[in-house]
Amino acid sequence: DVQLVQSGAEVKKPGESLKISCKGSGYSFTTYWIVWVRQMPGKGLEWMGIIYPGDSETRYSPSFQGQVTISADKSISTAYLQWSSLKASDTAIYYCARRSHSSGADYWGQGTLVTVSS
Amino acid sequence: SYELTQPPSVSVSPGQTASITCSGDKLGDMYACWYQQKPGQSPVLVIYQYNKRPSGIPERFSGSNSGNTATLSISGTQPMDEADYYCQAWDSSTGVFGGGTKLTVL
Repeated sequence: DVQLVQSGAEVKKPGESLKISCKGSGYSFTTYWIVWVRQMPGKGLEWMGIIYPGDSETRYSPSFQGQVTISADKSISTAYLQWSSLKASDTAIYYCARRSHSSGADYWGQGTLVTVSS
Repeated sequence: SYELTQPPSVSVSPGQTASITCSGDKLGDMYACWYQQKPGQSPVLVIYQYNKRPSGIPERFSGSNSGNTATLSISGTQPMDEADYYCQAWDSSTGVFGGGTKLTVL
């Protein structure tokens, strides 16, 4: 079965760095794009960016360009989302999802809650 | 940047047909998808390429497209269909979501 398993909830202080992960299994990890999506408390879904683990080609939504870094390690079938300096406004649930070959995001991780508070 | 517009809320009586719209410039030239999200859960893909259903999605879910508007229809709406629904399309090399529509089954 296809699965995306994300790392656990994080509580951080403003200014700290963070890297969360998304491990894929049950399919060829290198041949499907992985999407990262933000959902702030009580708000809608926001497209952050996408990575192709096969060659690490990455594309960012303009709103998130320069704010986060998306990467992947295909040897361990894991994608990452990282921040160098967190802000309180980064508090949200972050989802990873697999982009199917027919363009929809067909499998989703369980989400990682990131709380940034002093 | 590209935007998709959805109504914030739609109400429907059980057994009736719910329709949720999604508007965007030249949306007809893109593949639109729809996701369902229930409280505390990850989103679920219910429609892709405008009108295709992934396996496991009930036949009462359907999609259509006309010009700049994509529509998700739920026929014979059930209380379990109460959720937030998001449309999504691709803008050049990245994706974009609509603002979401809360479907209430009264």
